[in-house]
Amino acid sequence: EPEVTQTPSHQVTQMGQEVILRCVPISNHLYFYWYRQILGQKVEFLVSFYNNEISEKSEIFDDQFSVERPDGSNFTLKIRSTKLEDSAMYFCASSETTPAETQYFGPGTRLLVL
Amino acid sequence: RKEVEQDPGPFNVPEGATVAFNCTYSNSASQSFFWYRQDCRKEPKLLMSVYSSGNEDGRFTAQLNKASQYVSLLIRDSQPSDSATYLCAVSTGAGKSTFGDGTTLTVKP
Repeated sequence: EPEVTQTPSHQVTQMGQEVILRCVPISNHLYFYWYRQILGQKVEFLVSFYNNEISEKSEIFDDQFSVERPDGSNFTLKIRSTKLEDSAMYFCASSETTPAETQYFGPGTRLLVL
Repeated sequence: RKEVEQDPGPFNVPEGATVAFNCTYSNSASQSFFWYRQDCRKEPKLLMSVYSSGNEDGRFTAQLNKASQYVSLLIRDSQPSDSATYLCAVSTGAGKSTFGDGTTLTVKP
């Protein structure tokens, strides 16, 4: 069964450093998403991406964040200058055609900012 | 008011019990509704999409009431393996899904 994959599974970084989280969505899916979940809190939407551009973004997704589809398979989330409060689990998801359809989640990257 | 609000929980029930989770949403433009299951420190996994007519999958039944902006999930004959956090998710169809805080269920053998 096809699945969303994410790398790395864990990342530890120093405050102020840039991090890039990588995702490979399911191959025939057209919509891609990033969510985050701070420990003990709810899953929060960050951004959706379709046709090589951002479709929607939340207020969390400020200028420190960017997304890119650098090639035909990868989808990345970059945090330019990490803050302590960026420590969270970051989930990538994809859906086949529209956001109204089921989103399939990857296993997540646990980011710890020290 | 939260965009998606779920029963606060936790729910602790004996094996075989029937348990119901409720979820209300504030955006009347919401189009799609889902129940996900999340095990500790894992990704959300789709349990059911929720349709206007309601739908059933084995021991799980989901209902949607758009007039009241309310979604529910019923689990019959609950099993210890059902122990998890259940997340209600609502999508406007424009690219954003909003999740509730989740309701934690523990089913004791």
